[in-house]
Amino acid sequence: AQRVTQPEKLLSVFKGAPVELKCNYSYSGSPELFWYVQYSRQRLQLLLRHISRESIKGFTADLNKGETSFHLKKPFAQEEDSAMYYCALSESVNRDDKIIFGKGTRLHILP
Amino acid sequence: GAGVSQSPRYKVAKRGQDVALRCDPISGHVSLFWYQQALGQGPEFLTYFQNEAQLDKSGLPSDRFFAERPEGSVSTLKIQRTQQEDSAVYLCASSLSSAGFRYGYTFGSGTRLTVV
Repeated sequence: AQRVTQPEKLLSVFKGAPVELKCNYSYSGSPELFWYVQYSRQRLQLLLRHISRESIKGFTADLNKGETSFHLKKPFAQEEDSAMYYCALSESVNRDDKIIFGKGTRLHILP
Repeated sequence: GAGVSQSPRYKVAKRGQDVALRCDPISGHVSLFWYQQALGQGPEFLTYFQNEAQLDKSGLPSDRFFAERPEGSVSTLKIQRTQQEDSAVYLCASSLSSAGFRYGYTFGSGTRLTVV
């Protein structure tokens, strides 16, 4: 069965320092991978998706099939990055299907 | 509507009571998902509809949980004989069919269910 692992429950980083939120997955096929973010008192929202290879709010994530990882990175943390981050996987290629979420990592940016 | 709307926002139920949670997806979104998020955990998949068809209900934890979407728009998640372990935030999400999984889903604010 597919699984998403986020090994850190909490990550504290000083403002201006680099950020890396780890995500590993287990899936035998070719997954679609996402990062979702939930800011305080806001709803869960999509941050970025692997397929588009985009950078959102300075964040990037590269799919490493050899290491089955999809780590989220940002070179310089900002205070407004403090939030809950969820890595997620969809197994489907051609149709809507469920997304499997990791347990999440709380990112705390220190002033 | 402009976003995914869920009601009620909060629900307190006595153990053994039946509850019904409502989700109003984005107009035109054919796919609808229900997730359960326990405290400190990530969202766990419950069930998925494409229009009125329930294509996957593998995540429903027991036969006390039932979901429907009779006209392919509004969906209701019903929990019968609630138990304390049902306490969680129930999230609804919708997406455009076929392309939705590639672009992610739009989530509602959730219903926080507390069973006492």
